[in-house]
Amino acid sequence: DARVTQTPRHKVTEMGQEVTMRCQPILGHNTVFWYRQTMMQGLELLAYFRNRAPLDDSGMPKDRFSAEMPDATLATLKIQPSEPRDSAVYFCASGLLGIDQPQHFGDGTRLSIL
Amino acid sequence: GQQVMQIPQYQHVQEGEDFTTYCNSSTTLSNIQWYKQRPGGHPVFLIQLVKSGEVKKQKRLTFQFGEAKKNSSLHITATQTTDVGTYFCAGSSGNTPLVFGKGTRLSVIA
Repeated sequence: DARVTQTPRHKVTEMGQEVTMRCQPILGHNTVFWYRQTMMQGLELLAYFRNRAPLDDSGMPKDRFSAEMPDATLATLKIQPSEPRDSAVYFCASGLLGIDQPQHFGDGTRLSIL
Repeated sequence: GQQVMQIPQYQHVQEGEDFTTYCNSSTTLSNIQWYKQRPGGHPVFLIQLVKSGEVKKQKRLTFQFGEAKKNSSLHITATQTTDVGTYFCAGSSGNTPLVFGKGTRLSVIA
């Protein structure tokens, strides 16, 4: 079965450190999304791409977060510098048909900032 | 901006009882989707509804889309322990990214 692959699965680091999360979307999918999930806020959309072009990143703090898609098989989400409030599960999802169509989620990166 | 509200936030049922979660949007939707997330897992797509008044069934699960395309429901008949998890609705107003509800966490007591 085709699946979205995220690395690392878990990350624990100290505040101030750079964190890079990676995502390999399903081959052939042309939309990629980054979400953050917390108990309080639920699933928040951080950024999304179509055909590797960033469409919107208004959901994430611009001063510390950045999302890129250097090629069709890799999307990255970086946090620099990290803060304890960034602790959450970060999901990548990909889709085939459009930004409002069904999405396939990866297993997520569980991030803890100490 | 568009908001999607889900109720209840939590539901505890005895195995064999029915379960329903409701989803309401602040705007008319072009489509609504339902996802299930098992504890410790990731959201998994269940179904998409696009037509006003549409009803779809998947075994013991029944999904409805309201006539005004602003609300939806998921009903599970005779819950089983395998139904445990959080059920999310997600809607779009058309060519806009999905907005997810906060989810309903279902616990099933055997």
